[in-house]
Amino acid sequence: GAVVSQHPSRVICKSGTSVKIECRSLDFQATTMFWYRQFPKQSLMLMATSNEGSKATYEQGVEKDKFLINHASLTLSTLTVTSAHPEDSSFYICSAPDRAVSGYTFGSGTRLTVV
Amino acid sequence: GQQLNQSPQSMFIQEGEDVSMNCTSSSIFNTWLWYKQDPGEGPVLLIALYKAGELTSNGRLTAQFGITRKDSFLNISASIPSDVGIYFCAGLSSYDKVIFGPGTSLSVIP
Repeated sequence: GAVVSQHPSRVICKSGTSVKIECRSLDFQATTMFWYRQFPKQSLMLMATSNEGSKATYEQGVEKDKFLINHASLTLSTLTVTSAHPEDSSFYICSAPDRAVSGYTFGSGTRLTVV
Repeated sequence: GQQLNQSPQSMFIQEGEDVSMNCTSSSIFNTWLWYKQDPGEGPVLLIALYKAGELTSNGRLTAQFGITRKDSFLNISASIPSDVGIYFCAGLSSYDKVIFGPGTSLSVIP
């Protein structure tokens, strides 16, 4: 079935640095990628939607200058957490719609810890 | 905005028992999705429902799309230890966004 590969799976960074998370659709083209954030024992909250070749759309309350999203090709979307702070520590997950199977496939997630 | 509610919040059951969990919404969804998430992993799609009243099975799992399009349930029969995890219902919004419920945490006692 459709696979979305997400890297890295875990990252620890110092406060003030930036971290890039990549999501690749391996066997299908993803014109859209959804980015979610999940805090411990909570549900997934949609942060933004990236669209290949155009600007990402952000959900209310999500800082676009802090969470930079790039959708450079039909198989790659990236989320960069800029000037990370401890409160940005969370589980970040991407998801892409796979029209071939009428479903939404999720990456395996990235555990970000900012120290 | 669109919000989903799930019940129960958590469940502790004996291995072999059947499980039922529910999802409701204040607004209509045209597609309902049920996902399972293991610790430290991304959600995995279990069942997708596309039509009001639809009843769909996937092995020991059965889910139904409520006729009002505002609710769905998921049943698991003869639970086994690997059923442990968090089960999320999700609705597909008119903008193709997947909106998640708060989840039901399932624990299975061997």
